[in-house]
Amino acid sequence: AQSVTQLGSHVSVSEGALVLLRCNYSSSVPPYLFWYVQYPNQGLQLLLKYTSAATLVKGINGFEAEFKKSETSFHLTKPSAHMSDAAEYFCAVSRGGSNYKLTFGKGTLLTVNP
Amino acid sequence: GAVVSQHPSWVICKSGTSVKIECRSLDFQATTMFWYRQFPKQSLMLMATSNEGSKATYEQGVEKDKFLINHASLTLSTLTVTSAHPEDSSFYICSAGGRAGASYEQYFGPGTRLTVT
Repeated sequence: AQSVTQLGSHVSVSEGALVLLRCNYSSSVPPYLFWYVQYPNQGLQLLLKYTSAATLVKGINGFEAEFKKSETSFHLTKPSAHMSDAAEYFCAVSRGGSNYKLTFGKGTLLTVNP
Repeated sequence: GAVVSQHPSWVICKSGTSVKIECRSLDFQATTMFWYRQFPKQSLMLMATSNEGSKATYEQGVEKDKFLINHASLTLSTLTVTSAHPEDSSFYICSAGGRAGASYEQYFGPGTRLTVT
């Protein structure tokens, strides 16, 4: 079985500050890990994914995440928050590629203050 | 990039009626489609997985006779909520898995807001 834990249901940062969203996973097989962003009343957009290649993954909009097997973590970071980053962020785990189901964390709402 | 559409984006129906939601992959062949349900301020919960031409696999606790899923082609899957009740009101999101260009990943539709009155 696979599971994802996102620490902090709500994170608030100032514009220009570091963004750190935490994700820990549990998996009995080597995981594929994903971060998605969701804006209100919209579907999910993929930010980045880890598929057993480089452990530091760079995504869109300046986000990156580092896979740490020893810590079973896949935290999402961005050096400088922008107002447009305010959204819900979901971490997800899968056993493989596109035909395997995703298991999502509960999500973290990011608020960016001016 | 790969595009997945859903129709309708928003629907209101009366209790007891049925509603059909379409999910289409517009520019790639989706060998697998997934249907998720999302309650307000909550995460996505997988309802079922469907492969083209075969019966859907439902997650535990999801009523397959209530949520009918059909995946008739590599570009279209439908979710029919039968005899809808107010507790079925939710945001339904589909995703399509397959190869789009050089990338293998799931692509999400924009979601369908269902309100049952």
